[in-house]
Amino acid sequence: KQEVTQIPAALSVPEGENLVLNCSFTDSAIYNLQWFRQDPGKGLTSLLLIQSSQREQTSGRLNASLDKSSGRSTLYIAASQPGDSATYLCAVTVNSWGKLQFGAGTQVVVTP
Amino acid sequence: NAGVTQTPKFQVLKTGQSMTLQCAQDMNHNSMYWYRQDPGMGLRLIYYSASEGTTDKGEVPNGYNVSRLNKREFSLRLESAAPSQTSVYFCASHEAVGRQENSPLHFGNGTRLTVT
Repeated sequence: KQEVTQIPAALSVPEGENLVLNCSFTDSAIYNLQWFRQDPGKGLTSLLLIQSSQREQTSGRLNASLDKSSGRSTLYIAASQPGDSATYLCAVTVNSWGKLQFGAGTQVVVTP
Repeated sequence: NAGVTQTPKFQVLKTGQSMTLQCAQDMNHNSMYWYRQDPGMGLRLIYYSASEGTTDKGEVPNGYNVSRLNKREFSLRLESAAPSQTSVYFCASHEAVGRQENSPLHFGNGTRLTVT
């Protein structure tokens, strides 16, 4: 069974520092990997989707890498801002109809 | 764009009561999902519908039923609510089965259910 782990569970950084969030998965047979953001009391918003054939994806200050062979993905957020405070979840798509296996998330606080 | 809309946003039930959570998407997506999110357990799939007219069980289907009413709507029913069903429920959709490589999942804002 695919297991997805995110460490650390919580992270606090001062504004302006770069954020590095880690995601690991046990089975490299994935269709894609997605990073989501969740604000308190809200649903999840997809940030980046990396296809299984890709090594990274970028959107603005966000960059996500994927190393399938080692079962790892990293989300980098450059020059963090207080508005980046949220919980970040990663998920891997494990079959053709789109079943996702989620990590438990990393709660990020960016202090002014 | 409305995206994925869930109703109600909050609900309190007594043990044994029934209710239906509604979900509708306006993105013409084929696949729809119901998840529950609990502290320490993450997101767990309850049921999914790969296309209109089909539904299948996910990881935690016991105590729930679903209906894919049409392409837009996918409802979740609790026939006899139990305290263990206290959770936040999310509906999600994406474009199509078989096109996973370009298909991020879109979520609604959730229904916060408390069963006393």
